Amino acid sequence: EAQVTQNPRYLITVTGKKLTVTCSQNMNHEYMSWYRQDPGLGLRQIYYSMNVEVTDKGDVPEGYKVSRKEKRNFPLILESPSPNQTSLYFCASSLQNSPLHFGNGTRLTVT
Amino acid sequence: GENVEQHPSTLSVQEGDSAVIKCTYSDSASNYFPWYKQELGKRPQLIIDIRSNVGEKKDQRIAVTLNKTAKHFSLHITETQPEDSAVYFCAALSGGSYIPTFGRGTSLIVHP
Repeated sequence: EAQVTQNPRYLITVTGKKLTVTCSQNMNHEYMSWYRQDPGLGLRQIYYSMNVEVTDKGDVPEGYKVSRKEKRNFPLILESPSPNQTSLYFCASSLQNSPLHFGNGTRLTVT
Repeated sequence: GENVEQHPSTLSVQEGDSAVIKCTYSDSASNYFPWYKQELGKRPQLIIDIRSNVGEKKDQRIAVTLNKTAKHFSLHITETQPEDSAVYFCAALSGGSYIPTFGRGTSLIVHP
């Protein structure tokens, strides 16, 4: 089944404790992206990647890192999480000029 | 860069009524316009899309219209049902692009 898989679905952590949210797609998509979703603010792009070893900042990259060492994987790394990073995160992938396929989301709480 | 405005932010209708959500875009090079539906607690999913060589596209109770001259596109839902209640996002992409620009979303509430 074609899908984007992200883990974990729920994560509660404390300020400053490094964490990684994984994302993997099995559709051979070049493009992968991370979004955060907060009430009233819609979907805001954090980072994106158009191919292996190519990553770029989105609209809200501060406090996040990503890597694209393989085409299928695009992990999101929070080196030192803070409470303002409490949010719902979505990974997505697509082909050129095509619809995005979203993962099921990760609800992160930072206390 | 591209800017997409979406209205209204909230739309409340009675079951059986029609609902219309409108988006405007700024980049005349945009040529692909998808619409996503996000049910509560779930991921956004594509429900319909339109490319700039087409003025209208229908899929059962859902239709999308595109006016390239005015740079706006709209989602039309007829005979609304409670299960249509969700947040709807429009987006625009330029030719050859991977990166969509999203509208802020419309929360549609269908009252039984």
